[in-house]
Amino acid sequence: GQNIDQPTEMTATEGAIVQINCTYQTSGFNGLFWYQQHAGEAPTFLSYNVLDGLEEKGRFSSFLSRSKGYSYLLLKELQMKDSASYLCAVRDSNYQLIWGAGTKLIIKP
Amino acid sequence: IAGITQAPTSQILAAGRRMTLRCTQDMRHNAMYWYRQDLGLGLRLIHYSNTAGTTGKGEVPDGYSVSRANTDDFPLTLASAVPSQTSVYFCASSDTYTGELFFGEGSRLTVL
Repeated sequence: GQNIDQPTEMTATEGAIVQINCTYQTSGFNGLFWYQQHAGEAPTFLSYNVLDGLEEKGRFSSFLSRSKGYSYLLLKELQMKDSASYLCAVRDSNYQLIWGAGTKLIIKP
Repeated sequence: IAGITQAPTSQILAAGRRMTLRCTQDMRHNAMYWYRQDLGLGLRLIHYSNTAGTTGKGEVPDGYSVSRANTDDFPLTLASAVPSQTSVYFCASSDTYTGELFFGEGSRLTVL
């Protein structure tokens, strides 16, 4: 079966760095997405990786290793507004998105 | 403002009643989706449509139906609601070239 694993919850301190991991087992691979979802709101797009390596976008970076079935989202200089759930999703060989359950990130002052 | 509009935003419904959740997009995206989101579970695909006039079943289609008469509208219907359909429902559309999903604000449905 297809599976996306991410930690259920993480806690970090304002101003620090946090890495949220995502491992996947899917039928084929056509890209990996990270979305941010604040409580009670819709998910919003953060990043997309289809080739191995690091993609940097401001305070957020996303890394992909296709051979290991692994990605991480790196958040630097954490701010209170970064408290949210972070969803990892993989597009399989049928171009359907398989979603992880999300990682709830709690930022403490 | 361009995007996806869902209605209603919240609804309490008696079991056995019929309910249609509306979804409209103005981005001219070909593909549209309906997901449900439940605590502790990932987004689960109910139905999708790759282009106007076509629909397909997702991971959890039972008890739901959709139609896609035109590019902009993609309503989701619960023919006879049951309590297990209590959830937050998100409509989304995707950009053909990037695959990025754009989500509506969600419809919180409670079936009693």
